[in-house]
Amino acid sequence: AQSVTQPDIHITVSEGASLELRCNYSYGATPYLFWYVQSPGQGLQLLLKYFSGDTLVQGIKGFEAEFKRSQSSFNLRKPSVHWSDAAEYFCAVGPSGGGADGLTFGKGTHLIIQP
Amino acid sequence: KAGVTQTPRYLIKTRGQQVTLSCSPISGHRSVSWYQQTPGQGLQFLFEYFSETQRNKGNFPGRFSGRQFSNSRSEMNVSTLELGDSALYLCASSLDRGEDTQYFGPGTRLTVL
Repeated sequence: AQSVTQPDIHITVSEGASLELRCNYSYGATPYLFWYVQSPGQGLQLLLKYFSGDTLVQGIKGFEAEFKRSQSSFNLRKPSVHWSDAAEYFCAVGPSGGGADGLTFGKGTHLIIQP
Repeated sequence: KAGVTQTPRYLIKTRGQQVTLSCSPISGHRSVSWYQQTPGQGLQFLFEYFSETQRNKGNFPGRFSGRQFSNSRSEMNVSTLELGDSALYLCASSLDRGEDTQYFGPGTRLTVL
């Protein structure tokens, strides 16, 4: 069964500092990988996705992520965070064309921005 | 293009009652998926509909059901509500399945008393 691990429940970063959120996945084939962000009381907004090709993908709001097959990782990065980036971030895997059961999400990482 | 809309946004019910939540997908999207989000279990897949047919189902009891209409709008129903059903219910739509990206609505916050 597919699974996603986000090892950091909370991360605190100073405004203007760089950010890296970790994501490790377990999947039997080439995964489809996503990062979503959720602000309080809101739904999920897609930041970026990886299906195939270039392993470094660019997303919205200045975010990027790198797919590393050898490490089963898909870490999210941003060179300089803004106070508005404070939110909950979710990594997800699937569904693939083979019919996996919906997206499988990690437990999320709560990002706190210090002034 | 309008995003995914969900109604109602907030709902309070008592144990034993039933509830119906509605989701209108992005225009042109034919696949609708439902997820339950709770602090303890996180985001969990409920089911997915495409062309009025349930294609996938997560590991939830039969009290959770859904349907999709010919215009792709979807409803989910929870019967005999339990306290543990209190959650944010998220609907997502996509063009189809597989590599198509799922776009989420704002969710319906259900509180069971």
